[in-house]
Amino acid sequence: RKEVEQDPGPFNVPEGATVAFNCTYSNSASQSFFWYRQDCRKEPKLLMSVYSSGNEDGRFTAQLNRASQYISLLIRDSKLSDSATYLCAVNQNNNDMRFGAGTRLTVKP
Amino acid sequence: DGGITQSPKYLFRKEGQNVTLSCEQNLNHDAMYWYRQDPGQGLRLIYYSQIVNDFQKGDIAEGYSVSREKKESFPLTVTSAQKNPTAFYLCASSLDRAINEQFFGPGTRLTVL
Repeated sequence: RKEVEQDPGPFNVPEGATVAFNCTYSNSASQSFFWYRQDCRKEPKLLMSVYSSGNEDGRFTAQLNRASQYISLLIRDSKLSDSATYLCAVNQNNNDMRFGAGTRLTVKP
Repeated sequence: DGGITQSPKYLFRKEGQNVTLSCEQNLNHDAMYWYRQDPGQGLRLIYYSQIVNDFQKGDIAEGYSVSREKKESFPLTVTSAQKNPTAFYLCASSLDRAINEQFFGPGTRLTVL
């Protein structure tokens, strides 16, 4: 089993839709969690940190479910500019960051 | 502006040559990292450094070498021993390894001809 797994997609949604991605992790001792956004041929950029039960930033909501060992990212009212690949990152107990392979989102007019 | 810079943006190398990728940060971060990204795969850690003059191997260190002589700089050398070096190389830094948000440079795309 991979340490961090994501559905690769692609997710194709219309503008205005709500879309959610999940990311599962294998190390139950993991302490901190992150979502990054990566545009094509660019570097990942930090979107949100998820430290406790979850947090919200505008149209984006991140949730953590420790019992089931996954984090989720919810995007409401999708915009064309949300089209990107979303990477989750999990910092394991030994300060070892692991990244998922990413979920690709395409928002269409 | 504070940030992380990488150069060059694109690099072409002949088989058998060593090449060095530059990474500089002015964020006053202690920890720096090198990752490799291949299509359809997650980021894989090559090397990391938590402090000047110290660095540790990551998951795929074979065929690579690094140095950390200055806090701001963490160059990566891709040696001829690396069997499949064509990839997108990303440098990152964080305040320290325990405070985990990592911030990335723009990357170097290496192609072996």
